[in-house]
Amino acid sequence: DADVTQTPRNRITKTGKRIMLECSQTKGHDRMYWYRQDPGLGLRLIYYSFDVKDINKGEISDGYSVSRQAQAKFSLSLESAIPNQTALYFCATSGTRTGDYGYTFGSGTRLTVV
Amino acid sequence: LAKTTQPISMDSYEGQEVNITCSHNNIATNDYITWYQQFPSQGPRFIIQGYKTKVTNEVASLFIPADRKSSTLSLPRVSLSDTAVYYCLVGDGPKTGNTPLVFGKGTRLSVIA
Repeated sequence: DADVTQTPRNRITKTGKRIMLECSQTKGHDRMYWYRQDPGLGLRLIYYSFDVKDINKGEISDGYSVSRQAQAKFSLSLESAIPNQTALYFCATSGTRTGDYGYTFGSGTRLTVV
Repeated sequence: LAKTTQPISMDSYEGQEVNITCSHNNIATNDYITWYQQFPSQGPRFIIQGYKTKVTNEVASLFIPADRKSSTLSLPRVSLSDTAVYYCLVGDGPKTGNTPLVFGKGTRLSVIA
């Protein structure tokens, strides 16, 4: 099983619908992140959480919300999806223990809003 | 966070050594330099991290001059499977620090047969 699992892998939804993207991890990491990637724009941070009780906005949080249900689970919601939220979404985790180097990313969720 | 500048794209033939240079003029004393690799439709993958001088692992080498205002990722004898986007990031702390990493547009490396 993957260390960081994102569901669904692909999703097509209609404008105005509420949609939730889910992320779970088996790394035991406290820190979790949601990034969005658009073609040619690199990754942009939406929200991040350093522990279960901590939620922080990233550079592009408008139109999104998150929930950290447990150390291992961090979900991203689009309250009312719009076409310009069509993108590839990545969840990532990071740790602080010795030997924990870098971020571990999930395989991504490709979201299309029509 | 220190801003990084790296070439948008590079081409190389198989078997050649590829060097991707990243500039980070405003790097802070406690900042580390980290490189990630991303294949199409996959999340970025950690490659290497360093603070100064040279770091080498099974994938790449990272060269950092004394002033730390730049760094060079070196990929020995690239193959077609090294075609990817490579990101240079600067962040505080030895691992991931206390500030989320900021990914720029990276360098798109195309390896040609």
